[in-house]
Amino acid sequence: EAGVTQFPSHSVIEKGQTVTLRCDPISGHDNLYWYRRVMGKEIKFLLHFVKESKQDESGMPNNRFLAERTGGTYSTLKVQPAELEDSGVYFCASSQDLYINYGYTFGSGTRLTVV
Amino acid sequence: AQRVTQPEKLLSVFKGAPVELKCNYSYSGSPELFWYVQYSRQRLQLLLRHISRESIKGFTADLNKGETSFHLKKPFAQEEDSAMYYCALKTDSWGKLQFGAGTQVVVTP
Repeated sequence: EAGVTQFPSHSVIEKGQTVTLRCDPISGHDNLYWYRRVMGKEIKFLLHFVKESKQDESGMPNNRFLAERTGGTYSTLKVQPAELEDSGVYFCASSQDLYINYGYTFGSGTRLTVV
Repeated sequence: AQRVTQPEKLLSVFKGAPVELKCNYSYSGSPELFWYVQYSRQRLQLLLRHISRESIKGFTADLNKGETSFHLKKPFAQEEDSAMYYCALKTDSWGKLQFGAGTQVVVTP
């Protein structure tokens, strides 16, 4: 089976620009999570989709971040406008098991650099 | 407050030596803990779940509720164990994870 796919793998943008990250979960996985690791800090939860609905978006840092999951399939995370502190690695993960007893499957991540 | 602490940022061991990665947690409910590993140029992947009490690639981890710890151990480190290791705590019924800061393990021959 195909794994979790994230695009792009790297993105370098200028402060004030907009960037959209995409995540394609494993087919059939209703649960989709976004995390990010800012330089030198731990991996932090951003939000969780169950199908197309946002179950928990408590980790979204501010309203410059907008996440969507069209039809319960792929998800996008848009940052607009990007700030320097948004630089980091953004991870997507999916899980079929709602209670993640078997853990997540992670994507390779998108490294975002805001200059 | 929920917290996962990995006190060692870097652990350097010789091949064949035992390795132990420390993880302590703070959580008011019944904890569910995981170890994830990220090898160089690879994605983050699940290594162990405490509920399964399994041994993967020679690694084991035991949940100690008294000491609020979930340390990862391997009796004989191999060069291919060099990687970044993250301890993670499930913090709600929907699967949200709180990660520790990670421990970089370097195994030298």
